[in-house]
Amino acid sequence: EIELTQSPATLSLSPGERATLSCRASQSIYTYVAWYQQKPGQAPRLLIYDASNRATGIPARFSGSGSGTDFTLTISSLEPEDFAVYYCQQRNKWPLTFGGGTKVAIK
Amino acid sequence: QVQLVQSGAEVKKPGASVKVSCKASGYTFTNYAVHWVRQAPGQRLECMGWINPGNGNTKYSQKFQDRVIITRDTSASTAYMELSSLASEDTAVYYCARAQAPESSSWFDPWGQGTLVTVSS
Repeated sequence: EIELTQSPATLSLSPGERATLSCRASQSIYTYVAWYQQKPGQAPRLLIYDASNRATGIPARFSGSGSGTDFTLTISSLEPEDFAVYYCQQRNKWPLTFGGGTKVAIK
Repeated sequence: QVQLVQSGAEVKKPGASVKVSCKASGYTFTNYAVHWVRQAPGQRLECMGWINPGNGNTKYSQKFQDRVIITRDTSASTAYMELSSLASEDTAVYYCARAQAPESSSWFDPWGQGTLVTVSS
């Protein structure tokens, strides 16, 4: 099973700041990683698929990069609605697995 | 719009089974796999398995292989997930989510709203 490790566990930032979230895989997953945003009481929402492709309707301030084992989700300038938990997910090998999440909290 | 709507919250006793439904709308149900993902308190999201609604093919995670059955009713555009031999550790929110192809590993978009299953004596 491919393990995904996200860091940091919590990121405390202010609106307008840049957020950089990391996801590391236990083996190469090429570019087969997706990123999701989850707010309390809601289902996850797809942000990025295949490392760098924004899903439909996702603002341009969200961007993804990386390949192999190291991936990054960047939020260029945090809006109030961006404070949430973010998960990465790999689709390279079954079972599909998720990272443990990074909480982006208001500083 | 593409939407998945799940059945309501359930409370079950240890040893019982639960069956959660997921009704699809806004797209051709048989063209995309439906996955089931659970989120237990304090735990990461876990993929349980998926079904190809077109032909009924299924694939399960080894962790749940012996206890989960995923089925579908194409006439109702609905997928089902049944989990048996429930224990307190199965208390979680269960989500269905649509894949991007009938059978390949995929990302998930959209997700159902989630169904809370509570296992308690």
